Amino acid sequence: ETGVTQTPRHLVMGMTNKKSLKCEQHLGHNAMYWYKQSAKKPLELMFVYSLEERVENNSVPSRFSPECPNSSHLFLHLHTLQPEDSALYLCASSQAGTAGGSYGYTFGSGTRLTVV
Amino acid sequence: AQTVTQSQPEMSVQEAETVTLSCTYDTSENNYYLFWYKQPPSRQMILVIRQEAYKQQNATENRFSVNFQKAAKSFSLKISDSQLGDTAMYFCAFMSWSGNQFYFGTGTSLTVIP
Repeated sequence: ETGVTQTPRHLVMGMTNKKSLKCEQHLGHNAMYWYKQSAKKPLELMFVYSLEERVENNSVPSRFSPECPNSSHLFLHLHTLQPEDSALYLCASSQAGTAGGSYGYTFGSGTRLTVV
Repeated sequence: AQTVTQSQPEMSVQEAETVTLSCTYDTSENNYYLFWYKQPPSRQMILVIRQEAYKQQNATENRFSVNFQKAAKSFSLKISDSQLGDTAMYFCAFMSWSGNQFYFGTGTSLTVIP
């Protein structure tokens, strides 16, 4: 049990579908992140929520839409995705704004997304 | 912008032997943090070891240790007495002192051979 739980573990969706990824953390952290992991590329930061406010989106396409209803939950809403969006999507959390952030992030096990 | 480079896409080591994974980074900052993360087939990214740049002493965690060369901007990971469970992707990461954003390398796939 890592403290950061992601569902679903696997997702296959068509380009016209709408789906959502869910992340939940039980660590009392106040910042949550979405990362995209593609083969042979560095992890790409997609979205940051610190104290429930989005602070960065890194020019991610609008077909990805994040939602953070509270400090423990984070969603990534997906619609009209492209095959190149197929990747592992990782959620992470940290204690932002204090030295706790310098201890790194706690990651979930990711959602393996395949767009067909 | 900070960059992190891992020049070894794949490595292998015999069980019980020692292996060193390389990492270099580029930054103009004087204080920062460096990390090594392990990602086994289960996909969860696990923190292996952490180094604070203002500390000269190399960090160690059981069989894992680092060789931190600040002037050379090098941060290698040494795994001693390699075990089968060490088989995983290993990512080097940089965090600035002032921010919470990570910069990751592309990873090194390590296979421990029985």
